[in-house]
Amino acid sequence: DAGVIQSPRHEVTEMGQEVTLRCKPISGHNSLFWYRQTMMRGLELLIYFNNNVPIDDSGMPEDRFSAKMPNASFSTLKIQPSEPRDSAVYFCASSLAVRQGPYNEQFFGPGTRLTVL
Amino acid sequence: GDSVTQMEGPVTLSEEAFLTINCTYTATGYPSLFWYVQYPGEGLQLLLKATKADDKGSNKGFEATYRKETTSFHLEKGSVQVSDSAVYFCALSDDDKIIFGKGTRLHILP
Repeated sequence: DAGVIQSPRHEVTEMGQEVTLRCKPISGHNSLFWYRQTMMRGLELLIYFNNNVPIDDSGMPEDRFSAKMPNASFSTLKIQPSEPRDSAVYFCASSLAVRQGPYNEQFFGPGTRLTVL
Repeated sequence: GDSVTQMEGPVTLSEEAFLTINCTYTATGYPSLFWYVQYPGEGLQLLLKATKADDKGSNKGFEATYRKETTSFHLEKGSVQVSDSAVYFCALSDDDKIIFGKGTRLHILP
């Protein structure tokens, strides 16, 4: 299995530009999570999906951020317009939720390092 | 709400030293507890887990015991190696998502 795949691995853009991050979860997994990691705030959950449906987007910082999961094998996180404070490493993770709650290991992708100038 | 508190780093040790990274949690229910590790330039990966009180999770020489009475899940290793240098995250399950602590950076000196 290739694991969770994220692209691009690095993105450098200018303030005001649109940024799209992509994620392919592990085949067969039914839950997908987007995280943001910074030195100041640590690891933050932005949004997660179950069976392609957004379940909790309370961590999305503001309306500039949006996420979609059009099918079980693909998700995007979009920032429009981007700002320097969005600079961070963005991780996608997936899991197989065979039942409610605590037994579902999350598998993380390698992350996308975003720099907004 | 549920939360995880772990000791701040960085923690710097010499090779073969004993390691303890403290972790305590607050939860309304009976969560499962996890330790994840993040090596430089990589995503997090599960190191060990415990699903109920008094369970001991172990992997790669690391251990942690689920202590309900003290709401703790401290990570220990008897003899650390340079290759253990990484960031360690304590976490708990909360329904179908995981709540992570802020992470503890560990440096092992040869």
